[in-house]
Formats: sequence, structure tokens, C-alpha cells
Amino acid sequence: QVQLVESGGGVVQPGGSLRFSCAASGFSFSNFGMHWVRQAPGKGLEWVAFIRYDGSNKYYGDSVKGRFAISRDNSKNTLYLQMNSLRPEDTAVYYCAKSSGTTVYYYMDVWGKGTTVTVSS
Amino acid sequence: QSALTQPASVSGSPGQSITISCTGTSSDVGGYNSVSWYQQHPGKAPKLIIYDVSIRPSGVSSRFSGSKSGNTASLTISGLQGEDEADYYCSSYTSTPNWVFGGGTKLTVL
Repeated sequence: QVQLVESGGGVVQPGGSLRFSCAASGFSFSNFGMHWVRQAPGKGLEWVAFIRYDGSNKYYGDSVKGRFAISRDNSKNTLYLQMNSLRPEDTAVYYCAKSSGTTVYYYMDVWGKGTTVTVSS
Repeated sequence: QSALTQPASVSGSPGQSITISCTGTSSDVGGYNSVSWYQQHPGKAPKLIIYDVSIRPSGVSSRFSGSKSGNTASLTISGLQGEDEADYYCSSYTSTPNWVFGGGTKLTVL
């Protein structure tokens, strides 16, 4: 059974940094791309980032480009999201989601339960 | 990248059918068949219900169907049931390349 478990959420001050992890199990992690998607309180879904199955290509949403970095460790079946220069508008539940394929073209088929970050002073 | 346009809310009575639209541009919905739909119940993670415009994943009820015409994709739910009450999001691959979601539609079963 495919399972994605996010961790690393918390409260951070504006301008601070945080790193999320997403532990994957139940599938061949190194064969699939991975996404991060976020949802601000009471708002809709916003795509954040994607990384190819081998880590060779990364793509970011405009609102996080230059501040967030997606990475993966296929030996540990783990996806990461490093978030720097955090802003109050980054407050959200962050979901990791498995891609149905190897490249950014493929849709998100399985989602984790999410981890929450609150950016506040 | 602008969000795809969905109605904020729709409603229907049990047994009825409803359709949720999702309008984009030729750079996303109109240009690719990588359109998917997600169902999200309060406090839960999104669940994939339609991918590649009209394909249902294994285990998803046949009451859910998808289609696309030009720059607009649609999700139809037939034989509405109480458990269908949820938020629904469309998403599309874009030419950037990246992904974009719709603003979400709240379905109320009357």
C-alpha cells in the first residue's frame, strides 16, 4: 500500500527557515517524480514544486521560486522541501504527493496527510 | 500562472446529477489531456477521482465522470449521495511547465 508521511511542520517567525520531509513506502520511490502542494487555511490547493524521479529536474511555483528548494534521497525513500525566507502567506498545510510517472507531465495520484507550517511573529 | 476557474459552489439533491466546470486557457486545459480532479473532505487530504480528463482510478465510483471541450474541463457526478458532499478541485499540466489548480468548488447535497 502506497504511503506518504510528512513531517517537520511547526511555527516559525517571518524570515525563518524550515525543512519538511516526506517518507515514502509501498512503491518504488526512485521510479517516480514527486510533488509538493500546499493549502492555506480555508483556501484552495496551490502547486508548490516538483522533482523528477532521479532529481535531475526541478520546477517551482512562482510564489516560492528562489526561496524553496525541493530535493530527494532515493536511498532513504524520502522527499524534502527546504523553505527559506518564510512569509506569513506561506502559512499552510503542505502535502507531498506521488506523481503517476517520472516527469513533471504526470498527475498526482497519491497524497500524504500533510504537515502544517505557521509563519507568525 | 493564474488559477483555473471553477464555480465556488454547486448543490443538488440526492439522486440528481451535477456538473462542475473548470476553465483554463490553451496553455493548460486546452493544450493537454493531463487534467485531473480531486475530492477533498474537510480536514482530509485530496483524493484523485479523475485523471487524463476522463479516466477513473480503480475503486472510484462510476458515478464520477470527466470530459473536456476546448479550454474547459468538466466533472459530472450522477446519482448524488450524501457522501459526495466535499470540495472538488481540478488541476492541469501547463506549458511553463508546471501545474495549476482550480480555486475549488464546494458541493452541497441538499
